[in-house]
Amino acid sequence: GAVVSQHPSWVICKSGTSVKIECRSLDFQATTMFWYRQFPKQSLMLMATSNEGSKATYEQGVEKDKFLINHASLTLSTLTVTSAHPEDSSFYICSVYTLAEYNEQFFGPGTRLTVL
Amino acid sequence: GENVEQHPSTLSVQEGDSAVIKCTYSDSASNYFPWYKQELGKRPQLIIDIRSNVGEKKDQRIAVTLNKTAKHFSLHITETQPEDSAVYFCAATNTGNQFYFGTGTSLTVIP
Repeated sequence: GAVVSQHPSWVICKSGTSVKIECRSLDFQATTMFWYRQFPKQSLMLMATSNEGSKATYEQGVEKDKFLINHASLTLSTLTVTSAHPEDSSFYICSVYTLAEYNEQFFGPGTRLTVL
Repeated sequence: GENVEQHPSTLSVQEGDSAVIKCTYSDSASNYFPWYKQELGKRPQLIIDIRSNVGEKKDQRIAVTLNKTAKHFSLHITETQPEDSAVYFCAATNTGNQFYFGTGTSLTVIP
């Protein structure tokens, strides 16, 4: 399967600052990546679908101006949480969707964001 | 859109017993049903999956069954071990453009 990395693994920031999270597909050219948010003891909630070279598709209720997604290359997608607030504290996970592995997705290790 | 429900939310079993987790889905077009295991603070790991053209799939102590008519699929873990303790998520998807996840089941295997 595809190997997916995320950076950073954990970030603590002050309220009002912006945080960028990187998702890299290390051994696979990913045209599609998903970004999820997971609150403690809850399921994964899809935030957006990131397509290389085009605008991301956001799920209903997700503010596109707050969660900026850039998928400029086939191996890198970034999620920027702008003007972060404590309620944005969560576990953010990206995944790579690969047609080569029919319908499977491979998850990154996640980034824990804590906003003070 | 698709709606996936998962039960139970928590499950405790004695080591060596079996565990069963059930999911239902609403979209008859869904054709791929993966199960993920997630340990605390870690990424979800695919443990088994089933496609709509198959009714059952088994991999050692883990099996998944699919009933397309009733729109439900289940995860079966036999001879449970303490290391099976984790949160398990089911999911359903059609084209793979969006995966719909269940709410998760926290499994505890008591030694």
